[in-house]
Amino acid sequence: AAGVIQSPRHLIKEKRETATLKCYPIPRHDTVYWYQQGPGQDPQFLISFYEKMQSDKGSIPDRFSAQQFSDYHSELNMSSLELGDSALYFCASRLREDTGELFFGEGSRLTVL
Amino acid sequence: GQNIDQPTEMTATEGAIVQINCTYQTSGFNGLFWYQQHAGEAPTFLSYNVLDGLEEKGRFSSFLSRSKGYSYLLLKELQMKDSASYLCAVRDSGGYQKVTFGTGTKLQVIP
Repeated sequence: AAGVIQSPRHLIKEKRETATLKCYPIPRHDTVYWYQQGPGQDPQFLISFYEKMQSDKGSIPDRFSAQQFSDYHSELNMSSLELGDSALYFCASRLREDTGELFFGEGSRLTVL
Repeated sequence: GQNIDQPTEMTATEGAIVQINCTYQTSGFNGLFWYQQHAGEAPTFLSYNVLDGLEEKGRFSSFLSRSKGYSYLLLKELQMKDSASYLCAVRDSGGYQKVTFGTGTKLQVIP
């Protein structure tokens, strides 16, 4: 069965650079979530989209932005990168009318040097 | 908003039973999830409770008491591969149903 696809899996950037992470949800899933997980920490909710509209916003820095496109894939754009942005970024998707289980991608590991 | 509490770490012996507790305070509740996460990997779904009571799935069971804002995950016949973090997550009752994760409980299974 198709799963959530994230790319790139690994990314290394310098401070003050820009990074873009991509997420392709499971087909037919209408809701996408982005989470940031630092070392030894729980996943922190960043932002979510439902039917291509932003539905909820968590602890996402102003330097970050995200959108969901017509094909339901989503991109997380991060600018002016800081060392503290080094983390695993997970995308998850679900079909809203279902029980609501989130299906997670494998994550994108961002390292900021 | 949501406030979710779990013990930070637990240790248990292979073959034993362990119970991981989760308490939550929420302005709106529409279900509680348990996820397992091995280091550096994505969380994987274990269980879902929306009504009070016990849900059993193989070696894993999850219990919910909505009035007490309390859930637990019970792992039986522990195996070494069960060493992982266990995340309790609560879903909002609002229209878009945000899912908030707790801090996670790191379980170490020892021989």
